[in-house]
Amino acid sequence: QSVLTQPPSASGTPGQRVTISCSGTYSNIGSNAVNWYQQFPGTAPKLLIFTNHQRASGVPERFSGSKSGKSASLVINGLQSEDEAIYYCATWDDNPTGRVFGGGTSLTV
Amino acid sequence: QEHLQPWGAGLLKASETLSLTCSVYDGSLSGYFWIWIRQPPGKGLEWIGEISHRGGTNYNPSLKSRVTISVDTSKNQFSLEMTSMTAADTALYYCVRGVYDAYSGYADYWGQGSLVTVSS
Repeated sequence: QSVLTQPPSASGTPGQRVTISCSGTYSNIGSNAVNWYQQFPGTAPKLLIFTNHQRASGVPERFSGSKSGKSASLVINGLQSEDEAIYYCATWDDNPTGRVFGGGTSLTV
Repeated sequence: QEHLQPWGAGLLKASETLSLTCSVYDGSLSGYFWIWIRQPPGKGLEWIGEISHRGGTNYNPSLKSRVTISVDTSKNQFSLEMTSMTAADTALYYCVRGVYDAYSGYADYWGQGSLVTVSS
């Protein structure tokens, strides 16, 4: 059971907009910044979004992140087939202290 | 770009101790913190712990009694020791670079995973 809650799956067709949610509590998302990672099968995760909404180097502008209260969202505009991957949200938890992840959302395009 | 290369024994028996080291190539340990994260086959990510280049540590409360993370700046590497391994610890173990920010930092660059299998 992951500390952060993500839907296990999401889907869309090419060109669509997809939103992946990540919910937590006051001690984690409510008090800290959220980061998003993208993982393709057989490869290490890659940083996508840091500090809630900052895109990592080389990440296309169609990826965006936001945070409000105890929830965060990853939005992919203009979905492409190469976006098919698993997406994880992550943040720091103040109680108990430590880095926590969502269970991951498998995106199908 | 830095390259993180983990190495260590990949096959353990239950109750043995895991020892993994991550060499950091083409970069320096200073200015960053260094993280171990694991991923059981087909499952999600679990933070094990992290260390600053000066040696300050934070551990996952659920693993803290079994985990030691250390850093060797002279060799540009950091290490993970986990005692009393069981089959439930079978996973890909990633060494990851952490970046400081205005909050609690974040993992930005992931090395390749090192598969650790524990047989009972």
